[in-house]
Amino acid sequence: QSALTQPPSASGSPGQSVTISCTGTNSDVGRYNSVSWYQQHPGKAPKLMIYEVSKRPSGVPDRFSGSKSGNAASLTVSGLQAEDEADYYCSSYAGSNNLGVFGTGTKVTVL
Amino acid sequence: EVQLLESGGGLVQPGGSLRLSCAASGFTFSSYAMGWVRQAPGKGLEWVSGIPNSGSSTYYGDSVKGRFAISRDNSKNMLYLQMNSLRADDTAVYYCAKDIPNSGWAFDIWGQGTVVSVSS
Repeated sequence: QSALTQPPSASGSPGQSVTISCTGTNSDVGRYNSVSWYQQHPGKAPKLMIYEVSKRPSGVPDRFSGSKSGNAASLTVSGLQAEDEADYYCSSYAGSNNLGVFGTGTKVTVL
Repeated sequence: EVQLLESGGGLVQPGGSLRLSCAASGFTFSSYAMGWVRQAPGKGLEWVSGIPNSGSSTYYGDSVKGRFAISRDNSKNMLYLQMNSLRADDTAVYYCAKDIPNSGWAFDIWGQGTVVSVSS
């Protein structure tokens, strides 16, 4: 159950796009279409933004999109807005023993 | 309104025990798997434990296996986490969360969190 790897930081100007990567293994990200993405503002609980690689929960803007290729998943935020500045975490089903695993987290800064 | 409300956190000495509770409302609790996620101060999220809607099985992350026990009471809409042999590195905010069925532990509803501090 090793943490998925994310870049520590990413940034973009308002209106631009930013893409965050999430690298796992063929035992988690690569094996299952069960990647989720969470947004967390300081002092707040995480909020689900994407599940099952590319599905958006009701109420999440379509500026947020997810994809996966091999052992890596990605979250793209298009049309960056000031309120998108937050920490983002990926997670995946890890299969063996029916566990979950989170990524290391990425701090997104809107310049 | 769909809501999860954790309680039971606090300060405990190393080696001690604590029981967290999570009260669910606004949805059919017995239909959903539930989980616990924690976040140490200034650190990332860590998947702690999960339980299916029936409570028939339990799952634990490596760092808590053998020390923590998750359970649920569907008649009371309650989720629990019994934490034993607590260590300093168990210090964290503990969140309970509701799972999206068949999603592989995608949590769409989260509580506000309860703080656990392990220190002498």
